[in-house]
Amino acid sequence: SAVISQKPSRDICQRGTSLTIQCQVDSQVTMMFWYRQQPGQSLTLIATANQGSEATYESGFVIDKFPISRPNLTFSTLTVSNMSPEDSSIYLCSVSPGVYEQYFGPGTRLTVT
Amino acid sequence: AQSVTQLGSHVSVSEGALVLLRCNYSSSVPPYLFWYVQYPNQGLQLLLKYTSAATLVKGINGFEAEFKKSETSFHLTKPSAHMSDAAEYFCAVSPSGGNEKLTFGTGTRLTIIP
Repeated sequence: SAVISQKPSRDICQRGTSLTIQCQVDSQVTMMFWYRQQPGQSLTLIATANQGSEATYESGFVIDKFPISRPNLTFSTLTVSNMSPEDSSIYLCSVSPGVYEQYFGPGTRLTVT
Repeated sequence: AQSVTQLGSHVSVSEGALVLLRCNYSSSVPPYLFWYVQYPNQGLQLLLKYTSAATLVKGINGFEAEFKKSETSFHLTKPSAHMSDAAEYFCAVSPSGGNEKLTFGTGTRLTIIP
């Protein structure tokens, strides 16, 4: 398994600003993912972040809005840029340390006012 | 593309009664299927996973699920509900083992009636 921590756990931000969310894993993993869970809805994959390569974004998500860094095998950041109230969501990172495994962090609850 | 459909966004059962949460999948290749649970204000926890080894999969907290190819289903069950089972449950599918993107269903909120 993998233990994942995220910072901050929650934040309230003003529209037009940016927030960077950190994801830390207790072991080295190649594959890391960022998901968004809008209020009352399911999870949607934003991007896949593999160390040593550019993040791969899903349809509807762009790098300018959600830039991702993956400097090493235990850490990643997701930035939510130029925020609007529609960005209010829970943002979760997950890792896949092996086949048939994907573990999730506790999430970052973002409210944009 | 792969997808999962969860029937029933809200399910209520009495404490001690059978829990049945439904999940149907759509996949052109043999799928890998997962059930996750999300307790209030927490992240997702893996309950169980189907990886083609056995059709009846046992997970944590007394839950199990049966893969039925003929019905394209992967329903989650628990014989006797506990108050602590109240949570949101998500079915998910992956094309290649869960170490790539997961596609989630819309979730089922389980309420336990005392």
